[in-house]
Amino acid sequence: SQQGEEDPQALSIQEGENATMNCSYKTSINNLQWYRQNSGRGLVHLILIRSNEREKHSGRLRVTLDTSKKSSSLLITASRAADTASYFCATPGGQTGANNLFFGTGTRLTVIP
Amino acid sequence: EPEVTQTPSHQVTQMGQEVILRCVPISNHLYFYWYRQILGQKVEFLVSFYNNEISEKSEIFDDQFSVERPDGSNFTLKIRSTKLEDSAMYFCASQQTDTNEKLFFGSGTQLSVL
Repeated sequence: SQQGEEDPQALSIQEGENATMNCSYKTSINNLQWYRQNSGRGLVHLILIRSNEREKHSGRLRVTLDTSKKSSSLLITASRAADTASYFCATPGGQTGANNLFFGTGTRLTVIP
Repeated sequence: EPEVTQTPSHQVTQMGQEVILRCVPISNHLYFYWYRQILGQKVEFLVSFYNNEISEKSEIFDDQFSVERPDGSNFTLKIRSTKLEDSAMYFCASQQTDTNEKLFFGSGTQLSVL
């Protein structure tokens, strides 16, 4: 299975602290994506990192990718209460040109004001 | 910003009944997907659709499921005879091209089978 596994399953931090979430996957990939899901809502794409990239930034987000260890991390700096959500990594697993994404189990982040 | 629209937001049905979940993908997107998420569990891939046919489907997507893009705008998921275990949040997603891998998700339809 291509599915990623996030770690930790749940994370609770104070506003202003940094939050780090990890993802491990099983097979070779050409990209890895992180999505956010507010409770009961759809997933929102945050950032995509390609297999030839080691690190990528977007605002307060920093993503790293280690293809030798088949792992990725998502760092949210200076967290805010509004960052409270579930965060998922996703890897493409399609055998055709379609980009079927397989999602991990997610990390539920709670940022305490 | 363009968005994927799903209707209804909630659907309650009796076991054995047929349901149709509707989605309007972003207009210039070419790839379409259905995913589901059982409460508290991971988001699971069901099916991908491109050029008016199914590209891939998962083991979950058995003969009870079908998808259609009847009019070039709507993208529907039909469950022919619902089971209790079909209760889940169903998400539609669309993708612009195969080289732009970002998926845009709708807000989902919460299906409850009684």
